[in-house]
Amino acid sequence: EAQVTQNPRYLITVTGKKLTVTCSQNMNHEYMSWYRQDPGLGLRQIYYSMNVEVTDKGDVPEGYKVSRKEKRNFPLILESPSPNQTSLYFCASSSTGSNPGELFFGEGSRLTVL
Amino acid sequence: KQEVTQIPAALSVPEGENLVLNCSFTDSAIYNLQWFRQDPGKGLTSLLLIQSSQREQTSGRLNASLDKSSGRSTLYIAASQPGDSATYLCAVRQWNRDDKIIFGKGTRLHILP
Repeated sequence: EAQVTQNPRYLITVTGKKLTVTCSQNMNHEYMSWYRQDPGLGLRQIYYSMNVEVTDKGDVPEGYKVSRKEKRNFPLILESPSPNQTSLYFCASSSTGSNPGELFFGEGSRLTVL
Repeated sequence: KQEVTQIPAALSVPEGENLVLNCSFTDSAIYNLQWFRQDPGKGLTSLLLIQSSQREQTSGRLNASLDKSSGRSTLYIAASQPGDSATYLCAVRQWNRDDKIIFGKGTRLHILP
């Protein structure tokens, strides 16, 4: 079954404690992306990757890091989380090229930073 | 800078009615436009993808149209049901070096039984 898998789904942490949210897709997609969703602000792109070892900033990259060492994985790293990073996070992937395919989303990771 | 707008932000209609959700975008240089459904606290489920060369796509009771020149897309839902209650989002994939995907803020739909 084609899917995007995120872990953990729920996490409560404290300010400053480094954490990683993993994302994996099994569709051999080149494109992967991270979004955060906040009430009233909608979905905002954090980082995206067009392929292995290629990453670019989205609209709200501050406080986040990513890496793309393998095609299937695109982890999101919060080096020193702060309360304003409390949010619902989504990972997504798609094919690219002259006719990019549909964007597939993971189930989301709800993060609370105390 | 691409902006995607969905109006209205919320909509309530009686069960059985046909309805149209709107999505507008400011830059017509796009690869495609995609409609999603999101239930509260859940992930996004893809409904329809329209490539820039297409005018419409259909899936069951759903029909999405795209008019790139005017920067508009509509999602038509026929014979609405209470199970259609959800937030509907549209997203455009930009045709440029950045290849960004920009989302509207969604229309929250409530179908009254």
